[in-house]
Amino acid sequence: DIQMTQSPTSLAASVGESVTITCLASEDIYGSLVWYQQKPGKSPQLLIYGATILEDGIPSRFSGSGSDTQYSLKINSLQPEDFASYYCQNGLSTPYTFGAGTKLELK
Amino acid sequence: EVQLVESGGGLVQPGRSLKLSCAASGFTFSDYNMAWVRQAPKKGLEWVATISYDGSSTYYRDSVKGRFTISRDNAKSTLYLQMDSLRSEDTATYYCARHGGYYYDGYSYWYFDFWGPGTMVTVSS
Repeated sequence: DIQMTQSPTSLAASVGESVTITCLASEDIYGSLVWYQQKPGKSPQLLIYGATILEDGIPSRFSGSGSDTQYSLKINSLQPEDFASYYCQNGLSTPYTFGAGTKLELK
Repeated sequence: EVQLVESGGGLVQPGRSLKLSCAASGFTFSDYNMAWVRQAPKKGLEWVATISYDGSSTYYRDSVKGRFTISRDNAKSTLYLQMDSLRSEDTATYYCARHGGYYYDGYSYWYFDFWGPGTMVTVSS
């Protein structure tokens, strides 16, 4: 199975700041990396797929980058609604493994 | 508008069975692969199973193989998850999710583009 190691586990930031979350795959996943946002008590929402492709309706302050085994999610100019948990996911092969998540909190 | 609504969750004793349903609307259900993803309380996301658009292929995580069965009824636009021999570690919110994805340069790019609100399954005596 492909292991997804996400960091940091938690992160505190202020409105207006920029943050970066990273995801390391245990093997090359050829850019097949997905990012989700999940708010408390809600289901996950797709943000980015194919490592860099922004899902329709997602604000452009979200961006993804990376290749091979290393990937990142960057959020520019944090808005109040961005404070949530974020998960990466291997989209290359089953089992579709997720990172353990990053909780983004308001400083 | 795409909608996925799960039902069938509840409290069940270890070793017993439960069947979850997911009613889909707002898209052509028979065109899409579908999946179940779960989340234990205060924990991360865990893919459980996937079924192809026509039901001909199914995929499971190892820990549920032989105990869970994913199926679909395209005429009713409904996805199912039959869960047998339930264990305490199966306690989670179960989400129904639509697969998005494509193939490029020989590789697969699969993701979950729409999710239901989830249904809670608690396995306890």
